[in-house]
Amino acid sequence: DGGITQSPKYLFRKEGQNVTLSCEQNLNHDAMYWYRQDPGQGLRLIYYSQIVNDFQKGDIAEGYSVSREKKESFPLTVTSAQKNPTAFYLCASKTAGGETYEQYFGPGTRLTVT
Amino acid sequence: GQQVMQIPQYQHVQEGEDFTTYCNSSTTLSNIQWYKQRPGGHPVFLIQLVKSGEVKKQKRLTFQFGEAKKNSSLHITATQTTDVGTYFCAGHHSGAGSYQLTFGKGTKLSVIP
Repeated sequence: DGGITQSPKYLFRKEGQNVTLSCEQNLNHDAMYWYRQDPGQGLRLIYYSQIVNDFQKGDIAEGYSVSREKKESFPLTVTSAQKNPTAFYLCASKTAGGETYEQYFGPGTRLTVT
Repeated sequence: GQQVMQIPQYQHVQEGEDFTTYCNSSTTLSNIQWYKQRPGGHPVFLIQLVKSGEVKKQKRLTFQFGEAKKNSSLHITATQTTDVGTYFCAGHHSGAGSYQLTFGKGTKLSVIP
C-alpha cells in the first residue's frame, strides 16, 4: 500500500526535552511538508522540502528543525526552544510541479508536553 | 505572509439542511483546493479548482472558484451525518510556486440528526 506514515500516533514529553517526529512516504513524492494544527487555527506550515538535502522555513519554523537525507523521509524535531509545542502535527507530501498540486497527509502525531 | 480567510468558523445544521463555507484571498490565487478532515482524522483532498469561474460538482457537493480567482465556496445540499467534519480551503498564490499551500482556518460542520 502506498501512503504516508507518521509515528508515533501519541507522544508525551517533559518540558525541556527535544523530540523527533517521524514521517515516511512511499509515494515517490519529491515534496514533503510539516504542518502544525491547533484548535481553531487551521494548518500552519512549519517546514517544507522540495528535494532531498534541501528545505525551507514555513510560517512558524522557530523552535523546530528538519532534515531531508532521503526522499522517503522528512523527520521533524521539536526543540526545547519551541514555547508551545503541544499540538497535532501533520506531515504531507506531493508530486513536484505540474498541474497536480494535491497534498497527501499522514495520520498525524499528537504531541503533549508537560 | 499570504492569507486565506474562511467563514464561518463553525456551522451547526439540521440533517437535510444545506451548508456553505466561503474562502477569500486578498491576492489572486493560481488555484484553490478543498480538503475535509473528519473528527480525529487527517485532511483528505476533495477537489482542485484552477479556472476563473469554474464550478465542479461531486454528488451533493458543489465547488466554485470566483471570476477574479480570489474567492471560492463549497456548498453541500441536504447534509447528512456523514458530512460531519472540518472543511478547509487551501490556495496557491500566484507567483508563489507550486510547493506552498496557504490553508484557511476551516469551517467545522456539525449535523444534528
